[in-house]
Amino acid sequence: EIVMTQSPVTLSVSPGERATLSCRASQSVGSNLAWYQQKRGQAPRLLIYDASTRASGIPARFGGSGSGTEFTLTISSLQSEDFALYYCLQYNSWWTFGQGTKVEIK
Amino acid sequence: QLQLQESGPGLAKPSETLSLTCSVSGDSMSSGSYHWGWIRQSPGKGLEWIGIMSYSGSTDYNPSLKSRVSMSVDTSKNHFSLRLTSVTAADTAIYYCARCDEIVTVGGVYYYMDIWGEGTTVTVSS
Repeated sequence: EIVMTQSPVTLSVSPGERATLSCRASQSVGSNLAWYQQKRGQAPRLLIYDASTRASGIPARFGGSGSGTEFTLTISSLQSEDFALYYCLQYNSWWTFGQGTKVEIK
Repeated sequence: QLQLQESGPGLAKPSETLSLTCSVSGDSMSSGSYHWGWIRQSPGKGLEWIGIMSYSGSTDYNPSLKSRVSMSVDTSKNHFSLRLTSVTAADTAIYYCARCDEIVTVGGVYYYMDIWGEGTTVTVSS
């Protein structure tokens, strides 16, 4: 099983600042990686797939990069609605999620 | 706009069989090249993939659950179902259904969850 490790566990950021979230795979997943946002009491919402392609309706401030084993989600200027949990998912070999990064208000 | 809605009992007793249904609205399950999946989320295990199936009924199950899981589709009712046998407290979780979109690459065809239902909470307790 491919293990996905996200860091940091918690990221404290001020509104308007940039947030950088990391996701590492235990073996190469190519570009078969997605990012999700989850708010309390809601289902995960797809942000990015194919490592860097924004899903429909996702603002341009969300950007994904990386390939192989190292991936990054960048939120260029945090808005109040962006404070949430973020998960990565590899779908290269079966499907496994990272444990999540909580983005909180600093 | 496609929507998915999970339904089923919120409480199950240990050793019982859990059955959940995902109703799909806004489009036919048989349109496009989508697969359909179940995912669960618990405080202890986080997000865990359970199984994925095509509308024609071919399935992939999480190896850790494979002996207890089955999925089926009813295209006439535009819904698909999950069956999990011999449940224990470890199966207590929020269960989500999701549409899985297809991405074709040089390396093959892959599926990722793009649209999710709102989830249904299942508690296993006597």
